[in-house]
Amino acid sequence: QVQLQESGPGLVQASETLSLTCNVSGDSIGSGYHYWSWVRQAPGKGLEFLGSILYGGGTLLNPSLRSRLTISVDTSKNQFSLRLHSVTPADTAAYFCARDLGRSGSYNAHGFWGQGTLVTVAS
Amino acid sequence: EIVLTQSPDTLPLSPGERATLSCRASQSVDSNFVAWYQQKPGQAPRLLIYGATSRAMGIPDKYSGSGSGRDFTLTIRRLGPEDFAVYYCQQYGSSPRTFGQGTKVEVK
Repeated sequence: QVQLQESGPGLVQASETLSLTCNVSGDSIGSGYHYWSWVRQAPGKGLEFLGSILYGGGTLLNPSLRSRLTISVDTSKNQFSLRLHSVTPADTAAYFCARDLGRSGSYNAHGFWGQGTLVTVAS
Repeated sequence: EIVLTQSPDTLPLSPGERATLSCRASQSVDSNFVAWYQQKPGQAPRLLIYGATSRAMGIPDKYSGSGSGRDFTLTIRRLGPEDFAVYYCQQYGSSPRTFGQGTKVEVK
């Protein structure tokens, strides 16, 4: 069973870079078989898709964040990462990593999720 | 990007009743690539339905999805205490993937 676990600092200063890592077990990111994604949720708000990466297939980033967002993969550690630059308090949210249910088509829903990690941006 | 509007925002129901949740897209969703998720407080979302109508593994058949084009529905038959939660639809037919704002099913 695939498992995902987010890690990273819980507090980031405004204007700095938010960096999170998602550690994966039970599957190989380097297989290039699934999309790996980041989703966030501001306190008391709904879900926001940030972006996805397919090893060997590129990234899909939310246009609203594209200028500040980087998603990358480290196959040697079987993890993928998010870097969000120039953060503001509006970036305060729980950040979730997720894996698609399957390879393509109708299976590109987020079938597996990490538990999420809360990141607060201090002004 | 495709905007998803869920209705109602809040759905007060009693245990045992049927819940019908709506998700309308601003344009037709490619190949009906719509998913439904359930989220409880302090937890990650859980995938219920993908491809508009297919139940994810381990999801009981009290949950069903329907719809096509721009209009999609999640139906929960006979609400149990575990079903009171927030439900989100998502389209993944076009980039970027987008979520609806959520419907909270609460105890009446």
